Amino acid sequence: AQSVTQPDIHITVSEGASLELRCNYSYGATPYLFWYVQSPGQGLQLLLKYFSGDTLVQGIKGFEAEFKRSQSSFNLRKPSVHWSDAAEYFCAVGVRVYSGGGADGLTFGKGTHLIIQP
Amino acid sequence: DAGVTQSPTHLIKTRGQQVTLRCSPKSGHDTVSWYQQALGQGPQFIFQYYEEEERQRGNFPDRFSGHQFPNYSSELNVNALLLGDSALYLCASSPRTNTQYFGPGTRLTVL
Repeated sequence: AQSVTQPDIHITVSEGASLELRCNYSYGATPYLFWYVQSPGQGLQLLLKYFSGDTLVQGIKGFEAEFKRSQSSFNLRKPSVHWSDAAEYFCAVGVRVYSGGGADGLTFGKGTHLIIQP
Repeated sequence: DAGVTQSPTHLIKTRGQQVTLRCSPKSGHDTVSWYQQALGQGPQFIFQYYEEEERQRGNFPDRFSGHQFPNYSSELNVNALLLGDSALYLCASSPRTNTQYFGPGTRLTVL
């Protein structure tokens, strides 16, 4: 079965500084990879996704992520964080796609809580 | 374009009771998945509905059941509630792609 590890429970970054959130997955092949963000008491918003092709993917709000097959990683980055980026970030993997369309439910990591210092 | 909607927003129940949560998918989405998110944890997959049938199920007991209607909306039912069922329940919808879009969730508190 697949699994996702987000090694950092909490990360504190100063406003304007760069950010990298780590995500490692365990799966025998290349999964589908996602990053979601969740503000307190809210649902999850999709930041970006990787299915195939270019290993550097761009998302919303200035985020990007790089898929590294050799390291089984899909780390999320942002060159300059804003106070509004403070939230919980989740990495997720999906593994099976149906021939008629659609895909299996996702497996999530436990999340990284991002704190922004003024 | 309305996103995924869920009702109710909050719900308080007592142990042993039954609860029904509702989800309306984004327009054009025919697949609905349900997740349970305990406090401080990542979402855990409960099950997925497609063409009014349960297509995939996570590691949840039979107390958790669901339904999908012809208009693609869905219900999640939980019987014999336990204290441990207290969580945020998230619904996600998807078109015939790999990407899931989440609703705001229903916060269930079991006393």
